[in-house]
Amino acid sequence: GQNIDQPTEMTATEGAIVQINCTYQTSGFNGLFWYQQHAGEAPTFLSYNVLDGLEEKGRFSSFLSRSKGYSYLLLKELQMKDSASYLCAGLDSNYQLIWGAGTKLIIKP
Amino acid sequence: DVKVTQSSRYLVKRTGEKVFLECVQDMDHENMFWYRQDPGLGLRLIYFSYDVKMKEKGDIPEGYSVSREKKERFSLILESASTNQTSMYLCASTLSGDQLSEQYFGPGTRLTVT
Repeated sequence: GQNIDQPTEMTATEGAIVQINCTYQTSGFNGLFWYQQHAGEAPTFLSYNVLDGLEEKGRFSSFLSRSKGYSYLLLKELQMKDSASYLCAGLDSNYQLIWGAGTKLIIKP
Repeated sequence: DVKVTQSSRYLVKRTGEKVFLECVQDMDHENMFWYRQDPGLGLRLIYFSYDVKMKEKGDIPEGYSVSREKKERFSLILESASTNQTSMYLCASTLSGDQLSEQYFGPGTRLTVT
């Protein structure tokens, strides 16, 4: 079956770095998305990776290893506003999204 | 900026009622989606539409139907609401013809069925 696994919750300190991991098993693979969702709000797009490697976008970077079925989202210089859920979603061979349950990130001062 | 709006943020309905959830996007997007989001589960696709009057079942269509009479509007209908349909409902839209492109989400409707 198809599956996306990510940790349920993580805690980090303001100013620090945190890495949120995501492993995926999909029927075929056409890329991996990361979305951010603040409590009570809509998910918003963060990144899309289809090739192996690291893509950096400001304080946020996303990494993909297709051979390992693994991705991570790296958040640097954490700010209190980064407290949110981070959703990982894999795109299968039919271009359908398979969503993880999300990782709730708690930032402490 | 793309804007996706949903008719209600919070809704309380009784078991057996017919419920309409409406979604409107203002960027002329071709594709629209309805998801439900429950604690501990990923987003689950209910229905999607690639064109006016066109609809496709997602992973969990049972108990739901949809309507897309105009390009900008996609409605989700609960024919006879049940307590297990208590959930957060999210509408999304994308420009291109599959889920490859970035999805723009509405703020969600939290539906409680009593």
